[in-house]
Amino acid sequence: GQQLNQSPQSMFIQEGEDVSMNCTSSSIFNTWLWYKQDPGEGPVLLIALYKAGELTSNGRLTAQFGITRKDSFLNISASIPSDVGIYFCAGLVNSGNTPLVFGKGTRLSVIA
Amino acid sequence: DAGVIQSPRHEVTEMGQEVTLRCKPISGHDYLFWYRQTMMRGLELLIYFNNNVPIDDSGMPEDRFSAKMPNASFSTLKIQPSEPRDSAVYFCASSSVVYEQYFGPGTRLTVT
Repeated sequence: GQQLNQSPQSMFIQEGEDVSMNCTSSSIFNTWLWYKQDPGEGPVLLIALYKAGELTSNGRLTAQFGITRKDSFLNISASIPSDVGIYFCAGLVNSGNTPLVFGKGTRLSVIA
Repeated sequence: DAGVIQSPRHEVTEMGQEVTLRCKPISGHDYLFWYRQTMMRGLELLIYFNNNVPIDDSGMPEDRFSAKMPNASFSTLKIQPSEPRDSAVYFCASSSVVYEQYFGPGTRLTVT
């Protein structure tokens, strides 16, 4: 079945640094989403991307839908301590009754 | 809206006991999803419903797991009998379109 590979698996950064993470697949996806999970909570939707090449921002977060439709990127600028958590990418092959495929997540730690 | 509501938040039970997890989706959402999250396997989709009808239960591990959605505002996930390897965080999510899923806070299940 489809799989999403997220990298890096974990990262430690200093407060104020920019962060980049990505998600790749051998399959084509038509929708990409990025979620963040805080400790002890469920994942929360950050950004949804619906078109190849699309670049979307949500505050300090920017995500891109790769041109090949096989990858997506998430950038966080000027990180702050509350950015700590696990970031998941998720992809959808097509609309209709097909479920999302989730990556295994990137665990972000921010050192103040 | 209160968001997706799950109960209990924590459950500790002994091997062999029956466990029932409950979920109230966001009002108006037609889709409901049950996920299991572990460190080793990440987020796994167990089953999802559309308009109260199970669409895909291929992720349900085995016959010990069952899920029901008797009406649009309530769903249960039952494990009988429970085993230690069932220990995980179980999430319920709902959506109006299949990709923009909103997650509940999860139920942390520990089977001893």
